[in-house]
Amino acid sequence: EAQVTQNPRYLITVTGKKLTVTCSQNMNHEYMSWYRQDPGLGLRQIYYSMNVEVTDKGDVPEGYKVSRKEKRNFPLILESPSPNQTSLYFCASRRAGGYNEQFFGPGTRLTVL
Amino acid sequence: GIQVEQSPPDLILQEGANSTLRCNFSDSVNNLQWFHQNPWGQLINLFYIPSGTKQNGRLSATTVATERYSLLYISSSQTTDSGVYFCAVVWGAGNMLTFGGGTRLMVKP
Repeated sequence: EAQVTQNPRYLITVTGKKLTVTCSQNMNHEYMSWYRQDPGLGLRQIYYSMNVEVTDKGDVPEGYKVSRKEKRNFPLILESPSPNQTSLYFCASRRAGGYNEQFFGPGTRLTVL
Repeated sequence: GIQVEQSPPDLILQEGANSTLRCNFSDSVNNLQWFHQNPWGQLINLFYIPSGTKQNGRLSATTVATERYSLLYISSSQTTDSGVYFCAVVWGAGNMLTFGGGTRLMVKP
């Protein structure tokens, strides 16, 4: 089944404890991205990657890191999480070309205490 | 940047009723998608529809690119249709999906 997977789906952590949210897609898509969704602010892009070893900032990159060492994986790293990073996170992927359909993972609910 | 506006912001329907959700955008787009966010937070792809009309069961969508709007029709609504409906676009040379503010739909039994 073609899909985007994320892990973990739910996470409660404490301020300053490094964490990684994994994202994997099995559709051989070149483009992958991370979004966060917050009440009243909608979905905002954090980082995106056009292909392996090619990443760039989205609208809200502060406090996050990403890497793209393999085509199928695009982990999101929070090196020192803070409470303002409590949010619902989505990973997405699509084929190269902005006109292509984008597919979203199931989401990761992160709470930083 | 592009502006994406959805209407109405909130909608309450009785089960079995029909509805139309609207998405207006302020510039030409390369891609337009409709999503349903269910009560568990998952984003479900409904339509990829930069232009034209598509139908999938009780749902259909029409995008009139020259007039910069898209419509999502829900017929014979069911309680499982409840949630938030988003349209999202990619425009210009960009790569990012820009989301509208969503329409929150509640279908009552």
